Amino acid sequence: IAGITQAPTSQILAAGRRMTLRCTQDMRHNAMYWYRQDLGLGLRLIHYSNTAGTTGKGEVPDGYSVSRANTDDFPLTLASAVPSQTSVYFCASSRVGEAANEQFFGPGTRLTVL
Amino acid sequence: GQNIDQPTEMTATEGAIVQINCTYQTSGFNGLFWYQQHAGEAPTFLSYNVLDGLEEKGRFSSFLSRSKGYSYLLLKELQMKDSASYLCAVNNDYKLSFGAGTTVTVRA
Repeated sequence: IAGITQAPTSQILAAGRRMTLRCTQDMRHNAMYWYRQDLGLGLRLIHYSNTAGTTGKGEVPDGYSVSRANTDDFPLTLASAVPSQTSVYFCASSRVGEAANEQFFGPGTRLTVL
Repeated sequence: GQNIDQPTEMTATEGAIVQINCTYQTSGFNGLFWYQQHAGEAPTFLSYNVLDGLEEKGRFSSFLSRSKGYSYLLLKELQMKDSASYLCAVNNDYKLSFGAGTTVTVRA
């Protein structure tokens, strides 16, 4: 693994179904983030984690949950998907504490909820 | 709240210069990032400014004025491969707030 990986690449999901988007990084970054990107709205932060064992809510957390059991993995779960959650989802990671705090992004998951 | 504004679209000719402006009003500020995003791909880091002034990196430069809540990204000697979206993002307590992005189209 090099950098950040996300799975699946794309998914079509029926409304009401549960779905977990996976994210794994191998850079030993302490912070990880989930964003959704919608046309005209840019990237919006859903949830974040500054270190393993802790999580926080971003700008649009409703309908989503996350966990951070270890440094490398940060799954995003939609408990009961709705059509408004149709979006492209990006996972990112960074090394909190460094001045630049550059975030590195995964390739994204394109999710369609019907 | 966070308010970050940048133009929606810009078009320029190959070899020309384009300046993408970004204005922001945020509850906190720990620096400003510019990212490039090609269609269907992930954003990639271009530049970071935390102090006022100009940062130059090859064909790309970024400027920041904290007192004015203003930044710009300057792309020189435009190439076709520079056609992409450019995202302005403000770092606030290690979380990024993004503008909606500026789509730059480079014409031959």
